[in-house]
Amino acid sequence: AQSVSQHNHHVILSEAASLELGCNYSYGGTVNLFWYVQYPGQHLQLLLKYFSGDPLVKGIKGFEAEFIKSKFSFNLRKPSVQWSDTAEYFCAAQSRSGSARQLTFGSGTQLTVLP
Amino acid sequence: DTAVSQTPKYLVTQMGNDKSIKCEQNLGHDTMYWYKQDSKKFLKIMFSYNNKELIINETVPNRFSPKSPDKAHLNLHINSLELGDSAVYFCASSRDVETQYFGPGTRLLVL
Repeated sequence: AQSVSQHNHHVILSEAASLELGCNYSYGGTVNLFWYVQYPGQHLQLLLKYFSGDPLVKGIKGFEAEFIKSKFSFNLRKPSVQWSDTAEYFCAAQSRSGSARQLTFGSGTQLTVLP
Repeated sequence: DTAVSQTPKYLVTQMGNDKSIKCEQNLGHDTMYWYKQDSKKFLKIMFSYNNKELIINETVPNRFSPKSPDKAHLNLHINSLELGDSAVYFCASSRDVETQYFGPGTRLLVL
């Protein structure tokens, strides 16, 4: 069965600290990978995505993620977080085969950045 | 200018009632989706439509019925609402297998 795991449920950091959020996926076949962010009371916004090519992808707001195929991982990183990064972060995967296009989401990681 | 819009934003209703949530996208996408986010923030696909045809119907009670009158709209009708239906429902759209864009969500509370 397809699944996405986020092992950090809640991360608390001080401003300027570095961030790494873990994401592992279990899929048969090749996948597209995404990180979405959900600010309090708002909808999901795309941070970055990986379809193919360079495994290190850069997104908006200084975020980046690295696809490591051998580890089935797609961890999200930011060198220096800000208070405004406080939000829920979701990793998601999408199969590239077949007609189904739905995203399978991880359980989310709540990031709290202390000023 | 809103790319994916949903109405209503909030919906409070009694158990047993029937309600609908509407979704519209102006991005010219051919695929639309409904996701449910529970109280623990877990997001799960409910339905997916491609060019007005149902292509995904996950294990959702048949009290939930999606309707796609055209490619730009995907509405969700819920019959006989139950307490467990309380959640945030997100509509999304995409062009084929490209990035999905999400609506603002509809917060449903069943009393």
